[in-house]
Amino acid sequence: DAGVTQSPTHLIKTRGQQVTLRCSPKSGHDTVSWYQQALGQGPQFIFQYYEEEERQRGNFPDRFSGHQFPNYSSELNVNALLLGDSALYLCASSKTGTGPYEQYFGPGTRLTVT
Amino acid sequence: AQRVTQPEKLLSVFKGAPVELKCNYSYSGSPELFWYVQYSRQRLQLLLRHISRESIKGFTADLNKGETSFHLKKPFAQEEDSAMYYCALSINSGYSTLTFGKGTMLLVSP
Repeated sequence: DAGVTQSPTHLIKTRGQQVTLRCSPKSGHDTVSWYQQALGQGPQFIFQYYEEEERQRGNFPDRFSGHQFPNYSSELNVNALLLGDSALYLCASSKTGTGPYEQYFGPGTRLTVT
Repeated sequence: AQRVTQPEKLLSVFKGAPVELKCNYSYSGSPELFWYVQYSRQRLQLLLRHISRESIKGFTADLNKGETSFHLKKPFAQEEDSAMYYCALSINSGYSTLTFGKGTMLLVSP
């Protein structure tokens, strides 16, 4: 099991563009959470998906949206990119009903907006 | 809203010295507290949680509800402890969502 995987590793976008990031959860996990980690900051919770629905959401604008597929993988979409969206985007997976200690993080996708 | 504060951006110590990474939180209820670690070029991983009261890699952390603190301690630092450390809390363990502090970089010199 490769654990949580994310793609791409890096990408560069221009202001106003749209981007899609992908995450495959650890085997046996059914819940995917997304975090944004700006430079010099800790990870900040964006939203969580379970059973293909957004279950919880942090303090992020509607430009940030997501999706979960029947195989539990997930996408994070960001529209109308701003310079401030430049960050490391982390995906974390877990099995519903378990605590945060059972949450595993992926390596992240580094997004640079120019 | 809940908040986690790590007052030190960088903590630099010599090998064998004691280490204490500070963490304070604000939340009116009873959160679960965690320490996460990120070694160079590795992914974020759980180090320990307050409920288990265990020692991992020589690190311990005690939850002080009166002072709303969850400081991470190790009596004798090792070079391999050099990493970024994040304190985090969860207010709803069923949903597994975490609120993180900004992190403290621990640098252990020989």
